[in-house]
Amino acid sequence: DGGITQSPKYLFRKEGQNVTLSCEQNLNHDAMYWYRQDPGQGLRLIYYSQIVNDFQKGDIAEGYSVSREKKESFPLTVTSAQKNPTAFYLCASSSQGTDTQYFGPGTRLTVL
Amino acid sequence: AQKVTQAQTEISVVEKEDVTLDCVYETRDTTYYLFWYKQPPSGELVFLIRRNSFDEQNEISGRYSWNFQKSTSSFNFTITASQVVDSAVYFCALSEGSNTGKLIFGQGTTLQVKP
Repeated sequence: DGGITQSPKYLFRKEGQNVTLSCEQNLNHDAMYWYRQDPGQGLRLIYYSQIVNDFQKGDIAEGYSVSREKKESFPLTVTSAQKNPTAFYLCASSSQGTDTQYFGPGTRLTVL
Repeated sequence: AQKVTQAQTEISVVEKEDVTLDCVYETRDTTYYLFWYKQPPSGELVFLIRRNSFDEQNEISGRYSWNFQKSTSSFNFTITASQVVDSAVYFCALSEGSNTGKLIFGQGTTLQVKP
């Protein structure tokens, strides 16, 4: 089945550690996105990529990094520079920039 | 600046009642796209509808209907004869007119449908 997968579903990290969240899609979509969701709030854009080997910062990119070496993969690294990393992280993809974005199941990151 | 406002934080209804979720947006773009997503307790966002700024026709899909009015910058969502399975957080979102696809989300409305 076509879709977007994110792993792991739950992730625990100690302060000061970097951690990488996986996002894979087999929809042959060009564009991919990372959003962060805090309790009781809407989603905020962290990074997005419209094509392989290219990506742009979103509204809250500080403390995060990404790569887009393959069309189907867009991993997100939460670095130790991110002050409040505990949140729900959602990955999305779309055929092109203005098309509908479809979301993965999310990764819930907790910093201990 | 672009903004989406969902003024209703939480709504509680009894099964079979109709319920309307409000969405008001702000944008300077003449071309833009509006979306509704549903987020059940599992957390994944489920796409419900996409509407472009040039199409003001109302849309009905089963028990769901959407009322888009550019004059009031609103894109409201109505669930008819609500069911317990409709309980979720609903997000309205606005896409910039540029080709980035960046979505601006509202804060979300939590809908609880009681049996």
